[in-house]
Amino acid sequence: EVQLVESGGGLVQPGGSLRLSCAASGFTFSTYSMNWVRQAPGKGLEWISYISSTSSTIYYADSVKGRFTISRDNAKNSLYLQMNTLRAEDTAVYYCARYFGSTYSLDYWGQGTLVTVSS
Amino acid sequence: DIQMTQSPSSLSASVGDRVTITCRASQSISSFLNWYQQKPGKAPKVLIYAASSLQSGVPSRFSGSGSGTDFTLTISSLQPEDLATYYCQQSYSTPWTFGQGTKVEIK
Repeated sequence: EVQLVESGGGLVQPGGSLRLSCAASGFTFSTYSMNWVRQAPGKGLEWISYISSTSSTIYYADSVKGRFTISRDNAKNSLYLQMNTLRAEDTAVYYCARYFGSTYSLDYWGQGTLVTVSS
Repeated sequence: DIQMTQSPSSLSASVGDRVTITCRASQSISSFLNWYQQKPGKAPKVLIYAASSLQSGVPSRFSGSGSGTDFTLTISSLQPEDLATYYCQQSYSTPWTFGQGTKVEIK
């Protein structure tokens, strides 16, 4: 069974940093591209970052470019999101999601981890 | 960036009704269009990929159609468990973008 489990969320002050993790199991993690998608409270979904299976290709949404860094460790079956210079508008539930290239869709999602940026 | 516009933003329908949600892209995205269902307090789940292909395990009452800029998600016979918000998403080019969502309520 495919499982994605995010962790690392919490309360952080504006300007602060946080590192999110996503532990993957039930599939060959090293062969799949991965993504982070966030959802502000009561709002819609926003894709924020993509990383290919070998980390050779990375994309970011403009809203996080230069502040967030996506990475992965295939030996540990883990995906990460380093978030720096956090703003109030970064408050959201952050989901990791697997990209299935055959269908061009996000076919599995984690349960999400809440990040709250507030003083 | 490609803008995705869904309509309506919300709807209320009775069990057994046929429900249609539309999604329009600001430019042609061929068939690179996915539909997701998000139940309250849960993560999204893919229903339809490539505009019209049903994801494995998804009930056949869900269907998708369209190409280019105009797309439709149809629920042929609404069930109580279909209470959710539905999002379209384009995977044609980054940044991948989602519609604003359509909240489906049961009368």
